[in-house]
This record gives sequence, C-alpha cells and structure tokens, in this order.
Amino acid sequence: EVQLVETGGGLIQPGGSLRLSCAASGFTVSSNYMSWVRQAPGKGLEWVSVIYSGGSTYYADSVKGRFTISRDNSKNTLYLQMNSLRAEDTAVYYCARVVVVVPAAFIGWYFDLWGRGTLVTVSS
Amino acid sequence: QSALTQPASVSGSPGQSITISCTGTSSDVGSYNLVSWYQQHPGKAPKLMIYEGSKRPSGVSNRFSGSKSGNTASLTISGLQAEDEADYYCCSYAGSSTFVFGGGTKLTVL
Repeated sequence: EVQLVETGGGLIQPGGSLRLSCAASGFTVSSNYMSWVRQAPGKGLEWVSVIYSGGSTYYADSVKGRFTISRDNSKNTLYLQMNSLRAEDTAVYYCARVVVVVPAAFIGWYFDLWGRGTLVTVSS
Repeated sequence: QSALTQPASVSGSPGQSITISCTGTSSDVGSYNLVSWYQQHPGKAPKLMIYEGSKRPSGVSNRFSGSKSGNTASLTISGLQAEDEADYYCCSYAGSSTFVFGGGTKLTVL
C-alpha cells in the first residue's frame, strides 16, 4: 500500500528542537519530490519545505534558517529537523509527495499523497 | 509569500452548485497554470481534488471542476451532496521552488 506515516511530534519548550520523521511505503522517497506542510490549530494549511529528488532543498521564509528537510534513502524516510522552536510553530505537520512531471516546463507541482500528520506543540 | 485569498465560508443546498474563488497575484496564480485544490474533512489529511487548474485525479467525482482567469482560480462543485461538506484549500506554485496556500473555505451543505 502506498502511504506516508509521520512520527516524532510532541510537546516541546520554546527554543527547543524536535525531529519529525515520515516513513514511506509503496514508493521510493528519493525518486520523488517530497514536502512538509503544516496546519496550526483551527487554521489553514501552510507550506513549509520541499526536497527535490536531486537533493536540493527549499523553505518558507517563516522557517528558513531554523528548519532542515532531509531524507534517509536506506530507510525510505523523510525528516524535518526543527530548531529554535517558537509558539507559532505549533501545528499538525503533514508530509506529502509532490508530483512534478516536467520541472522546467512547470507541469505538475501538486501534492498527491499525504500522511495523517503529527502534532507539534511548542509551549512552556 | 502571502496567502492566497479565499472566502471564509460558502454554503449551498443539496443538488445546487457552488463556486469557491482563490485570488493570488501575478507572481503565483497569474504566472503559472499550477493551481491545485484540496478537500479536508475534520481531523483528516487533505485530499487532492483538482490539479494544474482543471484536471481531476482518478477517483474524484466529475462534479468537481476547476478554472482560472487572470490572478483568480475557481473551484466549482455541482450537484452538492452532504459528503461535500468540508474545508477546501487552493494552492499555487509561487516560483523559486515555493508554494502558497489559500486561507481555506468552509463549505456548508444546508
């Protein structure tokens, strides 16, 4: 079965660090573009980061310099390392597969598979 | 990276049609035909409903359709059903390998 399962969420104090994991099954993470999207309680979706199949990484301004997206090909798992956490980072974090058919021709660029999410709460 | 603008809520009766708008700028919605739409039921993960502005993934009802004009994309749901009640989000590629979502629209089926 093709699926994504996020783990690693929890309660963390402001200024702390947390690493989220997203285990994939049924497809290969390293052959795809993968992303993290978050949703604060009662709020809308916010794109966080993307990693290309070639390894390039990109971030939303709100997390740049604090969050790092990466993957472990041997474990077929995507990660999000979150440092210097703030109260406003409190959210459910989803990992998602990004379909990019032809990057240079701008064909695709949508999220076709989502995990169930993991809740991160930043509070003292 | 400002969020795309969606109405906070829309409503309709069973069998009716509704349209949800999604307004961006010439840097995102207006520059690319890469708007996607997601349905989210409470406590669930988002589900892809429309991609590349107007294409439907396999398994999505043809009651869902998408379009774009200028900097505004739209999602139309025809023949409203009770199961369509959910939150809907638009998303656009915004250049420089970034994405931007709309604030979300709560659809109520009366």
